[in-house]
Amino acid sequence: DAKTTQPPSMDCAEGRAANLPCNHSTISGNEYVYWYRQIHSQGPQYIIHGLKNNETNEMASLIITEDRKSSTLILPHATLRDTAVYYCIVPYTQGAQKLVFGQGTRLTINP
Amino acid sequence: GAVVSQHPSRVICKSGTSVKIECRSLDFQATTMFWYRQFPKQSLMLMATSNEGSKATYEQGVEKDKFLINHASLTLSTLTVTSAHPEDSSFYICSATLGGLRRYEQYFGPGTRLTVT
Repeated sequence: DAKTTQPPSMDCAEGRAANLPCNHSTISGNEYVYWYRQIHSQGPQYIIHGLKNNETNEMASLIITEDRKSSTLILPHATLRDTAVYYCIVPYTQGAQKLVFGQGTRLTINP
Repeated sequence: GAVVSQHPSRVICKSGTSVKIECRSLDFQATTMFWYRQFPKQSLMLMATSNEGSKATYEQGVEKDKFLINHASLTLSTLTVTSAHPEDSSFYICSATLGGLRRYEQYFGPGTRLTVT
């Protein structure tokens, strides 16, 4: 069962920042938050991950609240190619390093 | 870096036949590979976890005799759908991980769309 909750869909205008929220209120102290996205009919793509500090890479920024119960993925200047389903995942740390994909957020970037 | 390929990208087969799907890590050695299945408008469902040289670990409800997984090397895993039926038609996706501190960073293949007629 997924340990995160996300809104099912969001819209964002091209060129604007897309802010995707994720709640993970049961996260424990040593669990990371991972973000992946899946563009239609393709395999998912790793975006970013974090523990408690904010993170940034060439794709996105990840803001994690101080209590770690929620986070926000930020795509600073969204393009049409960012239209995808975005998954926020807190991996199980016991046993195999598997990922459990929830329903994610379907982000649509509008021209 | 961290490129994963799958072959074939699409396959159509007749009911009752078997189909093999290959997953390769092209520029890294993958300690662990995963196989997922995705039905239309649904999320990815993990089928099994595969470690090189050992038997795959299947998720609950996945028939190990129907979905045969072989992980013969650190760069190749195969999934064979045996005696395929129309309900096996789906999008099959593999992923590979570097392991260690990056064990939750999974790199996914482009997927294989299987249609069983």
